[in-house]
Amino acid sequence: GIQVEQSPPDLILQEGANSTLRCNFSDSVNNLQWFHQNPWGQLINLFYIPSGTKQNGRLSATTVATERYSLLYISSSQTTDSGVYFCAVTGNTPLVFGKGTRLSVIA
Amino acid sequence: EAGVTQFPSHSVIEKGQTVTLRCDPISGHDNLYWYRRVMGKEIKFLLHFVKESKQDESGMPNNRFLAERTGGTYSTLKVQPAELEDSGVYFCASSRDRGATLHFGNGTRLTVT
Repeated sequence: GIQVEQSPPDLILQEGANSTLRCNFSDSVNNLQWFHQNPWGQLINLFYIPSGTKQNGRLSATTVATERYSLLYISSSQTTDSGVYFCAVTGNTPLVFGKGTRLSVIA
Repeated sequence: EAGVTQFPSHSVIEKGQTVTLRCDPISGHDNLYWYRRVMGKEIKFLLHFVKESKQDESGMPNNRFLAERTGGTYSTLKVQPAELEDSGVYFCASSRDRGATLHFGNGTRLTVT
């Protein structure tokens, strides 16, 4: 099945800093989503981005499907950005999640 | 539109007891999925319904887990009897079409003591 690798596994940022999270996947995909699991455990959909670039406020994402990777950019990070960021992909299988990047933003 | 709704939000039960989790998908979404995340590990797929039919149940860990979606509306996931390793967060998600954006509920945090 599809393998999804996320890096880095852990990231600590000072409030106001920028960061880039990476997601590599092993096969062609029809769907790629980025999620944020907040400290309360809720899984929030950030982007549906099988290809191209999208922006939503301080967050943006780029997927290069031909090279099998996606990037999530967080600019001017805030403490409320803390949590785990998951990348999930699907080809002909149900959505497969990576292990996540745990982000801690400190004031 | 209302999002995916899961009940209860938290459940604490003793080993050997039974628990039933409920998921109400977004209205009109034929595809319903169950996932779970156990103790800081990856979020793992459990099963997929298309309307009332089980499309894929390859992720169900064992026969202590039973999922139903009678009438193709809400779904239930029963764990009987619960074991310690079943503790984790159980997520439900729905989508209008297969391959479309999955919308997740807030999850049910299950603790087995």
